[in-house]
Amino acid sequence: DAKTTQPTSMDCAEGRAANLPCNHSTISGNEYVYWYRQIHSQGPQYIIHGLKNNETNEMASLIITEDRKSSTLILPHATLRDTAVYYCIVRSIQIQGAQKLVFGQGTRLTINP
Amino acid sequence: GAVVSQHPSWVICKSGTSVKIECRSLDFQATTMFWYRQFPKQSLMLMATSNEGSKATYEQGVEKDKFLINHASLTLSTLTVTSAHPEDSSFYICRTRTGEYGYTFGSGTRLTVV
Repeated sequence: DAKTTQPTSMDCAEGRAANLPCNHSTISGNEYVYWYRQIHSQGPQYIIHGLKNNETNEMASLIITEDRKSSTLILPHATLRDTAVYYCIVRSIQIQGAQKLVFGQGTRLTINP
Repeated sequence: GAVVSQHPSWVICKSGTSVKIECRSLDFQATTMFWYRQFPKQSLMLMATSNEGSKATYEQGVEKDKFLINHASLTLSTLTVTSAHPEDSSFYICRTRTGEYGYTFGSGTRLTVV
């Protein structure tokens, strides 16, 4: 699996957009970009994933660069409950079987009132 | 959406005793379950992969005789920490695959060995 690089920590003001970057310069053509977050003492929560095109759902938007070597997760209007560790993971989709998810250190996002 | 129910959410046990952690898939079948361990302020580390009806596959450095995994049915996988020691105190999380692209995690179990 391609390795990802994320900033260790970020701060954002409540109500503002939080933009979390992720570098995945060794990503291959069949690998998707996934984002998860983990609130303290809970299991990780799925946020969004994408392959080439930008994606948006009720939680966030995912912007993937044209060369796919980096991406940005956008939380449009951050709230205090968005304080968590955010993990960017790249993974190929296999036809059969389940896949390992390898977690990096993630970005500790703190939303300040 | 798919839910993986993990129990207990926290447990305190004495050194030398064993603790069983359960992960149940609700309303779907989990052929494969992944077990992770997470120490404070660290990321999740994959411990082992269990497949229904077969032996679990352990990651390098994980003692299979200490961390017993059983996946006897398509809806239940268990992790038993045997002869627990304080260094086994950690946050244990299970995960399975749901659908073609989705992965669902349990809520985690915080184990404290005293």
